[in-house]
Amino acid sequence: DAKTTQPNSMESNEEEPVHLPCNHSTISGTDYIHWYRQLPSQGPEYVIHGLTSNVNNRMASLAIAEDRKSSTLILHRATLRDAAVYYCILRGVNSGNTPLVFGKGTRLSVIA
Amino acid sequence: EAQVTQNPRYLITVTGKKLTVTCSQNMNHEYMSWYRQDPGLGLRQIYYSMNVEVTDKGDVPEGYKVSRKEKRNFPLILESPSPNQTSLYFCASDFKPGPLYGYTFGSGTRLTVV
Repeated sequence: DAKTTQPNSMESNEEEPVHLPCNHSTISGTDYIHWYRQLPSQGPEYVIHGLTSNVNNRMASLAIAEDRKSSTLILHRATLRDAAVYYCILRGVNSGNTPLVFGKGTRLSVIA
Repeated sequence: EAQVTQNPRYLITVTGKKLTVTCSQNMNHEYMSWYRQDPGLGLRQIYYSMNVEVTDKGDVPEGYKVSRKEKRNFPLILESPSPNQTSLYFCASDFKPGPLYGYTFGSGTRLTVV
C-alpha cells in the first residue's frame, strides 16, 4: 500500500468543524482511501472510505482532491468524544488479506 | 448491535501458562484477524482467517496459534506466553478482505506476562 502523510497533531474547539488532511502523492488509480480513528483505551474504529468521489456518512465526510493526491476528513461539528488519533490508510483493490498498516496518524484534541 | 467481542479485557499471567483470548463477531463476516499494538511499533498483524478452517500467518505469528472452527469465533492461543508477548491485542473482522468495506475492531485485551 502507498504511503500517507498526516500532521502529528491538531486542535479544535468543541462544536466547530474539523478538517484533517492526508497527503498520498503516490496513490495508484485503484487505491481506496480509508480513515480510521482510535479513541483512548479503545480499538480502532472505521470512519469512512472512498475512491474518487466525495463521501458522506453519519460520522464524517471525506473530500478527495481531483488528482487524488490528497484528501480531507471532515468532522462537521467536533465533540469531546471525537478526541482521538485519526489514521489515513490506502487500500489497493488487490489488497485482499494484506494487513492494515496504521502510520502515526493525527492526534486530534478537542477543547471545550 | 453489530460488534466484535473480545474476552478478557485485561489479563495478567505468568510465563509459560497457556492462555486463550476469545474473539466473537455477530455480523457473519468471513474475514477475521488478530493484531497487537505496541508503543512505537503501531499495529501489527499476528494471524488472519479468510473463512472457516482457513487461517494464515500475519507479520508476527511466532508464539501464537489460532483456530477458526466456526465463522463467528476466532480465538488467539498462547501456548507458552513470554514477557515479550505483553501487549495490547485487538481482534478485527470484515465482511470480505479488501478495500470495499471497513474493519470492525474489538475493544482490546491488555495482556501482561510476568
